[in-house]
Amino acid sequence: EVQLLESGGGLVQPGGSLRLSCAASGFIFTSYAMSWVRQAPGKGLEWVSGISSGGSTYYADSVKGRVTISRDNSKNTLYLQMNSLGAEDTAVYYCAKTGGYISSWWGDWGQGTLVSVSS
Amino acid sequence: QSVLTQPPSVSAAPGQKVTISCSGSSSNIGDNYVSWYQQLPGTAPKLLIYENNKRPSGIPDRFSGSKSGTSATLGITGLQTGDEADYYCGTWDSSLSAGVFGGGTKLTVL
Repeated sequence: EVQLLESGGGLVQPGGSLRLSCAASGFIFTSYAMSWVRQAPGKGLEWVSGISSGGSTYYADSVKGRVTISRDNSKNTLYLQMNSLGAEDTAVYYCAKTGGYISSWWGDWGQGTLVSVSS
Repeated sequence: QSVLTQPPSVSAAPGQKVTISCSGSSSNIGDNYVSWYQQLPGTAPKLLIYENNKRPSGIPDRFSGSKSGTSATLGITGLQTGDEADYYCGTWDSSLSAGVFGGGTKLTVL
C-alpha cells in the first residue's frame, strides 16, 4: 500500500522559511516522479513543483525562485524548501506520487500539511 | 485564474447523470493526457480517471472520462449522495513545463 506522510508545516512569519518533508513507502520511490500540490483555504488545487525520477525539477511561476524541490532516494523522502514566504503561500501542501513520468497523473496523495504565513 | 476552465458548480438528482467539462488549450489538454480527481470535504484529492478515460482499480464504472481536442469531460451516472464533492481536472502544460488544474466543480446531489 502506498503511503505518503507529509510533515514540516506550521506557522511562519512573512519572509520566513520552511522545509516540508514527505516520507514515502509502499512503492519503489526511485522509479516515480513526485509533486507538491497546494490548496489555499476555500480554494482549488494548485500544482507547486515536481521532480522526475532522474532529478529534473519543475516549478510553478508563482513559486519559482523561492522554492526548491529535492528528493533523497536513500531515505525515500521528498522535500520542499520554501523561502521568502508570503500570505499567499498559506495552504495545505500535499505530496503526490505521479503515474511514472513527470507529466503523468497524480495517483496517490498524502494527507497534507498546513502552512500558515502570518505575523 | 486557473489554466483549465471548469464550471463552478453542477447539480442533479440522485440516480441521474451529470457531466463536468474542462477546457484548456493546445499546450495542455491538446498535448497531454487528462486526469480527474474527487475531493470529499476535509480530505485529500483522490484519483478518479487517468489518461483521459482509464479508471484506477476500485473506482466504479459510474465514473467515465473523455477528451476531444482541447476539452475533456467527466461523466458520473447513477448519482449518489456520497458523490457530493469537488471535482478537479488536471494535466501537464508542455509550454509552461508545469502541472495545471481546473478551478474545481462542486457537485450537489439534490
